[in-house]
Amino acid sequence: GEDVEQSLFLSVREGDSSVINCTYTDSSSTYLYWYKQEPGAGLQLLTYIFSNMDMKQDQRLTVLLNKKDKHLSLRIADTQTGDSAIYFCAEGPKSGGSYIPTFGRGTSLIVHP
Amino acid sequence: KAGVTQTPRYLIKTRGQQVTLSCSPISGHRSVSWYQQTPGQGLQFLFEYFSETQRNKGNFPGRFSGRQFSNSRSEMNVSTLELGDSALYLCASSLARTSDNEKLFFGSGTQLSVL
Repeated sequence: GEDVEQSLFLSVREGDSSVINCTYTDSSSTYLYWYKQEPGAGLQLLTYIFSNMDMKQDQRLTVLLNKKDKHLSLRIADTQTGDSAIYFCAEGPKSGGSYIPTFGRGTSLIVHP
Repeated sequence: KAGVTQTPRYLIKTRGQQVTLSCSPISGHRSVSWYQQTPGQGLQFLFEYFSETQRNKGNFPGRFSGRQFSNSRSEMNVSTLELGDSALYLCASSLARTSDNEKLFFGSGTQLSVL
């Protein structure tokens, strides 16, 4: 199976909270990342969490990490239409291996009025 | 500080041709990675260059190759194009990729269409 899995689509109403989920397989990953890709653009690093943390908050973004279940989530509070994009979860680096992060296939977030 | 620049932005080729894509990293960044993005496969790692040397390679056929110059600019080449090579090719740069938390900075990509 894939190293990093995400659901493909999420639709929310403007003003609501969005929660994007991700599962990963490598428990040795030191960092877990969330990247955002807007239409016609490359990926932009949104936030990241160190593997020994449970939660990280950054303005409207909250990252939750459950190491036991290898589950990562990104919560966007007060979601706006400008948050519509593809969100990628990534893990890395592999213990003793390269520093190439492994990306999920991305979750398309659609925000409607 | 200028971001990662990829040229050209769009490219249309026919099967059997070859193509060269260019990437200029952020000034001071020495590592350049290339990714292929398709709707079906998501983001697939192609290769990474550091100090003009290929340091990591993904699972792509030998038709895909790359190089890095002394100024850290990188090019990737795809020979004998196939329809399945149609994709968005993304370049990402980072400082040195020798620490646990090297952040990647992506360009806007080159959209390649193979007819």
